[in-house]
Amino acid sequence: GAVVSQHPSRVICKSGTSVKIECRSLDFQATTMFWYRQFPKQSLMLMATSNEGSKATYEQGVEKDKFLINHASLTLSTLTVTSAHPEDSSFYICSARAGGEAFFGQGTRLTVV
Amino acid sequence: AQSVTQLDSQVPVFEEAPVELRCNYSSSVSVYLFWYVQYPNQGLQLLLKYLSGSTLVKGINGFEAEFNKSQTSFHLRKPSVHISDTAEYFCAVTTLQGAQKLVFGQGTRLTINP
Repeated sequence: GAVVSQHPSRVICKSGTSVKIECRSLDFQATTMFWYRQFPKQSLMLMATSNEGSKATYEQGVEKDKFLINHASLTLSTLTVTSAHPEDSSFYICSARAGGEAFFGQGTRLTVV
Repeated sequence: AQSVTQLDSQVPVFEEAPVELRCNYSSSVSVYLFWYVQYPNQGLQLLLKYLSGSTLVKGINGFEAEFNKSQTSFHLRKPSVHISDTAEYFCAVTTLQGAQKLVFGQGTRLTINP
């Protein structure tokens, strides 16, 4: 199947700093990618839909100025958590569709201290 | 809008016993249905999917699921589980139109005891 690579797998940052997470489709082109957030022992909540060459579509309640999404190429989408705070600590997962199936990155564990 | 309900948050079973993880969905349009498995600190791996055709679908690792349109269910089953099946399982639905966003259920923690 198709491969989606997410980097980094873990990151610890200080409160007030920004963190960038990359999501790459390694063997296919993805015009659309999805970013999810997962709290401990909970399900995945869709944050936004990343569209290549245009603005991302954010789900209700997600702050677009805090979670900046850039999808500059057909194989790369980035999520930047700006001015991170401890409540932003979570597991972030990206996904891309290929052939009607969704493929997921390995996830990024963000810890804000 | 679509929604997914996984009726059991935790399911403990003994090794080599059968297991069923329940999933019900709600949608006003036709949907695709999926089951994913998540191991600790990892992304999701597709177990199986229902797109059309036969209502009984077989997936990886010996899992299967049956689509029941009248009951709007898509329960996951395995006749004999192994310790390595311990993980979190998510049922998900997407529509055939639009951005095809996946909507996930709350997840079921499957724990296999020796």
